[in-house]
Amino acid sequence: DAKTTQPPSMDCAEGRAANLPCNHSTISGNEYVYWYRQIHSQGPQYIIHGLKNNETNEMASLIITEDRKSSTLILPHATLRDTAVYYCITRGAGGTSYGKLTFGQGTILTVHP
Amino acid sequence: NAGVMQNPRHLVRRRGQEARLRCSPMKGHSHVYWYRQLPEEGLKFMVYLQKENIIDESGMPKERFSAEFPKEGPSILRIQQVVRGDSAAYFCASSPGQGDNQPQHFGDGTRLSIL
Repeated sequence: DAKTTQPPSMDCAEGRAANLPCNHSTISGNEYVYWYRQIHSQGPQYIIHGLKNNETNEMASLIITEDRKSSTLILPHATLRDTAVYYCITRGAGGTSYGKLTFGQGTILTVHP
Repeated sequence: NAGVMQNPRHLVRRRGQEARLRCSPMKGHSHVYWYRQLPEEGLKFMVYLQKENIIDESGMPKERFSAEFPKEGPSILRIQQVVRGDSAAYFCASSPGQGDNQPQHFGDGTRLSIL
């Protein structure tokens, strides 16, 4: 799986959009981009994933650049409950390693009142 | 639709005892993954199982750790002769299939403390 690079921390004001970047310049053509978050010590929560096209669900939007070397997770109206560690993960390329997720250090997002 | 269920939520063991952690996947999910999160560290993959089969155990310590996912019942992560370094949060995830387009959904973990 491709290595991902994320800023260690970010701040956001409550009610504003939070834009979390992720660099995955070595991503291969059949690898998906996944986003998870971990609030406090809870289990990681799946947010969204995509391959090439931009994706949107009830939680967030995922914007993937045309060359697929980077992506941005957008939380359109951040709330205090969105304070968490956000992980960008690439997954795929087949073989027996495709099952696991490789978590990096993630981005600590702090939403301020 | 119940999520991934892990029990117990907290488990305390003395050094040398055995720890058994259970994971019931989401309904309709036949793929289970175990991860470990040591204090102040990130999650690390341990093992990937399908019903009655271990698919990838590349993250499992070579000794004392084993995992199973029987035809009936929950997946079990078993740690024999626990040591202080086994203290961690153990998370289970499940997915409906093996494709890269199938998100894994996590339980809230078992916090294992070794006295």
